[in-house]
Amino acid sequence: AQTVTQSQPEMSVQEAETVTLSCTYDTSESDYYLFWYKQPPSRQMILVIRQEAYKQQNATENRFSVNFQKAAKSFSLKISDSQLGDAAMYFCAYRSSNNAGNMLTFGGGTRLMVKP
Amino acid sequence: DVKVTQSSRYLVKRTGEKVFLECVQDMDHENMFWYRQDPGLGLRLIYFSYDVKMKEKGDIPEGYSVSREKKERFSLILESASTNQTSMYLCASTSGQPNQPQHFGDGTRLSIL
Repeated sequence: AQTVTQSQPEMSVQEAETVTLSCTYDTSESDYYLFWYKQPPSRQMILVIRQEAYKQQNATENRFSVNFQKAAKSFSLKISDSQLGDAAMYFCAYRSSNNAGNMLTFGGGTRLMVKP
Repeated sequence: DVKVTQSSRYLVKRTGEKVFLECVQDMDHENMFWYRQDPGLGLRLIYFSYDVKMKEKGDIPEGYSVSREKKERFSLILESASTNQTSMYLCASTSGQPNQPQHFGDGTRLSIL
């Protein structure tokens, strides 16, 4: 079974600065998908960014980018120019390509605080 | 936009009660999920369904059951609620496409007294 580990329970960043959230995973598969989700205090989980394992290029969505290191099984999230609205729980998630039900395995989460 | 609606934001029940948590999605998604969210443990899958009347156990199904009589609705049932089932419950749905994300409801904060 796959496991996803987020080693930083909490992180803080100064507004306008850059922060990196860590995520590692364990799998024996070669094809899979990785996701970062954000859960603001209002609680609805929303997708931040996704990465297909077969793509070598790191995904980018505006101020959010990932550093995907397949050999190291690492998938970190970088938030540039942090904003107060970035304060939330962030979850890393893994999905196997062989997963007929599109199930996700989640990490334990990282709480990000943004200081004004 | 995909809309996943959970029937209650907050719910308080007593030990031994039968509890129903309802979830409805409006995007004709095949797959629906129930998760439990606890601090430090992330989201753990309770049950999922990939079609009407079909269900599969997730990682922590004990003490729970589910029902999917219609494609848009997925219900989580606590047959006899216990205090250790006090938690945040999240419903999600997704299409059958492999790279598509799951879409989540707002969550139900359930307290069992």
